[in-house]
Amino acid sequence: DADVTQTPRNRITKTGKRIMLECSQTKGHDRMYWYRQDPGLGLRLIYYSFDVKDINKGEISDGYSVSRQAQAKFSLSLESAIPNQTALYFCATSDHQTGGPNQPQHFGDGTRLSIL
Amino acid sequence: GENVEQHPSTLSVQEGDSAVIKCTYSDSASNYFPWYKQELGKRPQLIIDIRSNVGEKKDQRIAVTLNKTAKHFSLHITETQPEDSAVYFCAENAGGTSYGKLTFGQGTILTVHP
Repeated sequence: DADVTQTPRNRITKTGKRIMLECSQTKGHDRMYWYRQDPGLGLRLIYYSFDVKDINKGEISDGYSVSRQAQAKFSLSLESAIPNQTALYFCATSDHQTGGPNQPQHFGDGTRLSIL
Repeated sequence: GENVEQHPSTLSVQEGDSAVIKCTYSDSASNYFPWYKQELGKRPQLIIDIRSNVGEKKDQRIAVTLNKTAKHFSLHITETQPEDSAVYFCAENAGGTSYGKLTFGQGTILTVHP
């Protein structure tokens, strides 16, 4: 969906650097998510946010932090990047405010992050 | 916690054949089961979903079946075409206080040979 925008699309950086990945959406959805995708491991949830005041850890939150600056913006930070954080990162949104409990998630185009 | 096992990890079929991908889950409270298709270099996109109050749902050449007793659900693609080649992910939402949070299977690489 073009309504979920991730920046940057690609990033190469060095071990120890602080990195921020940004996600913005124009869908008006209340919930936002950050996933990591590695070959053979599917999509693993890093953090999720039900609204601006509600941030929750996913299954692999160690080494990551997030900020929900507004309903439309959810950023992911790597405070001190390490090589095993090299992966494809996806942001997603879902609408539970108007849609109810069981709703699909809509993904951005992803950020390919390489840490040397 | 939630756990989803997806099989097979790779599937190769001839154009026109059917393809079936199966997922099993562990949480009996799971009540929402979407399937996503991810083409090479692209984002995952929802192709079909099913809620626990129904056993089957169809959309043209794709269908999903759900067996709540056995805790498994399957994606069926009929009359496969080369453009169906992609990675397919199942997911489940356990509901309750964690509703909205999806747990994904490991993915199936489907290759359709012309």
